[in-house]
Amino acid sequence: GAGVSQSPSNKVTEKGKDVELRCDPISGHTALYWYRQSLGQGLEFLIYFQGNSAPDKSGLPSDRFSAERTGGSVSTLTIQRTQQEDSAVYLCASSLGLDRRNSPLHFGNGTRLTVT
Amino acid sequence: AQSVSQHNHHVILSEAASLELGCNYSYGGTVNLFWYVQYPGQHLQLLLKYFSGDPLVKGIKGFEAEFIKSKFSFNLRKPSVQWSDTAEYFCAVNLNNAGNMLTFGGGTRLMVKP
Repeated sequence: GAGVSQSPSNKVTEKGKDVELRCDPISGHTALYWYRQSLGQGLEFLIYFQGNSAPDKSGLPSDRFSAERTGGSVSTLTIQRTQQEDSAVYLCASSLGLDRRNSPLHFGNGTRLTVT
Repeated sequence: AQSVSQHNHHVILSEAASLELGCNYSYGGTVNLFWYVQYPGQHLQLLLKYFSGDPLVKGIKGFEAEFIKSKFSFNLRKPSVQWSDTAEYFCAVNLNNAGNMLTFGGGTRLMVKP
């Protein structure tokens, strides 16, 4: 597609349920990033992939959070046993590579997650 | 740990007013600096970036930012705002040894009254 696509755009779930958020990067982009934007706060870096590998998972808030990427394309962010503090907008971005000068980040519209 | 601070959370201006949004970062090493904008209902877009060279950077839509190394600042400016500039603005820092990962500030919501 023309841009980074995220689904669903909105998700309301009950506390304790698992959710899966999907990100479809721009075709050909090898790097993919997940950020979280909580109400009134900036964007918090969660994890990035280079190809299918995630070299640094230290940004994930807890072990309830996991992410994977298959085929060097689509990525899913899974939150198990959701808590109310997980409510946020989850943003995905992709870039051609990791060269910061020549590979600007392109962001999706995000998934707004509400945990009731 | 490095951090990015945006001093103004909400700014309200009338059209044609001048704009300056503050951004300070805490990191002593080499950094790359960015401003992103998120218009209502749209995704984050890059406004401008600084890597090296002239510390006064010009971006899209008449925006500019000045990197002042001694003040650890990268303030965003526009001489005359328009109603269409209503958006949320995010400052971001990329450390020289952090690949392409960005650390964002808390954002500033700008409302321009017609």
